[in-house]
Amino acid sequence: NAGVTQTPKFHILKIGQSMTLQCTQDMNHNYMYWYRQDPGMGLKLIYYSVGAGITDKGEVPNGYNVSRSTTEDFPLRLELAAPSQTSVYFCASSRDSYNQPQHFGDGTRLSIL
Amino acid sequence: QQPVQSPQAVILREGEDAVINCSSSKALYSVHWYRQKHGEAPVFLMILLKGGEQKGHEKISASFNEKKQQSSLYLTASQLSYSGTYFCGTERKTSGSRLTFGEGTQLTVNP
Repeated sequence: NAGVTQTPKFHILKIGQSMTLQCTQDMNHNYMYWYRQDPGMGLKLIYYSVGAGITDKGEVPNGYNVSRSTTEDFPLRLELAAPSQTSVYFCASSRDSYNQPQHFGDGTRLSIL
Repeated sequence: QQPVQSPQAVILREGEDAVINCSSSKALYSVHWYRQKHGEAPVFLMILLKGGEQKGHEKISASFNEKKQQSSLYLTASQLSYSGTYFCGTERKTSGSRLTFGEGTQLTVNP
């Protein structure tokens, strides 16, 4: 099983450009999440989804957008990239409801210059 | 409300024990523990439910005091492979499956 797959692994973006970070999972999980992790810090929730067609904001949603058209895919879009969005982005998924472990992808390391 | 982890960092010699604490000011439904090695993704260790004590893999276990809204992770007879950053993630009844993560505790195990 591939689990949670994120692409690209690394990317350098210029200020003001836009890009989409891809995330797909093959575990048939309904719940999916996007986090950002700044150096030496914990994980901050950007957006999450409880199923296809349903998304909601997390702690730090500004400057990002998401969509969830299928159970498998949960892309994260950065519009008008800013240096403050330089970070490592992790996608995760879990089974429904409470008390379920989250399974993380390997992350996308994004630099905005 | 972000949970508070302590200590921020700890250095051990192989075979020594360590305790990492996680506390919240809000009523919790469960506490998750993850370990992240440098440059890698977080990996799930265990979930603590209200009133629960759970043994995890290796010689790592944890407890959850729901009255104090505190969880502790116990690493016994530490191995070199235990090195990494440990995060607690707290889950509230009103937050669905969303987790709020602490800032992490960096654990280094030396030979």
